[in-house]
Amino acid sequence: DGGITQSPKYLFRKEGQNVTLSCEQNLNHDAMYWYRQDPGQGLRLIYYSQIVNDFQKGDIAEGYSVSREKKESFPLTVTSAQKNPTAFYLCASMREGLANEQFFGPGTRLTVL
Amino acid sequence: AQKITQTQPGMFVQEKEAVTLDCTYDTSDPSYGLFWYKQPSSGEMIFLIYQGSYDQQNATEGRYSLNFQKARKSANLVISASQLGDSAMYFCATRMNRDDKIIFGKGTRLHILP
Repeated sequence: DGGITQSPKYLFRKEGQNVTLSCEQNLNHDAMYWYRQDPGQGLRLIYYSQIVNDFQKGDIAEGYSVSREKKESFPLTVTSAQKNPTAFYLCASMREGLANEQFFGPGTRLTVL
Repeated sequence: AQKITQTQPGMFVQEKEAVTLDCTYDTSDPSYGLFWYKQPSSGEMIFLIYQGSYDQQNATEGRYSLNFQKARKSANLVISASQLGDSAMYFCATRMNRDDKIIFGKGTRLHILP
């Protein structure tokens, strides 16, 4: 079945450590996205990528980094520079075309202790 | 810059009644798309409905319809005959034609009362 996988579902890290969140899709979509969601809040765009080896900053990119070495994969690294990293992180992908919706993964809940 | 505003943080609606969730947007691109998503407590994001800026008719998908008023930059979601399973967060989002950047509003939490 086609879809987006994010692993792990729950992640715990100590303060000051970098952590990488995985996102893989087998939908053959060109565009991929990372969003952050805080309790009771909307989705805020961290980074997005329209094509392999290229990505753009979203509204809250500080303290995060990404790579897009393969079409299927768009990992997000939460660095120690991110001041408040505890949140729910959602990955999405999308086909090219204005009318096409995003497909989302199940999310990773990151807790920094 | 794109912007989405959802002014209703929370709503309580009696089961079987219709409900309207408000969404206003701001975009400089004449060609854009508007989306609504549902997020149950499980956290998954479920696509509901899409409206293109040049679409002449309001979009409909089953019990969901989009009340698109272009001059007012408004794209309200209407859910007819609400059900208990409609209780969730609802997000409005916009995408401009010139790039793939998609921006979401802060959402509205809908509670359907039995």
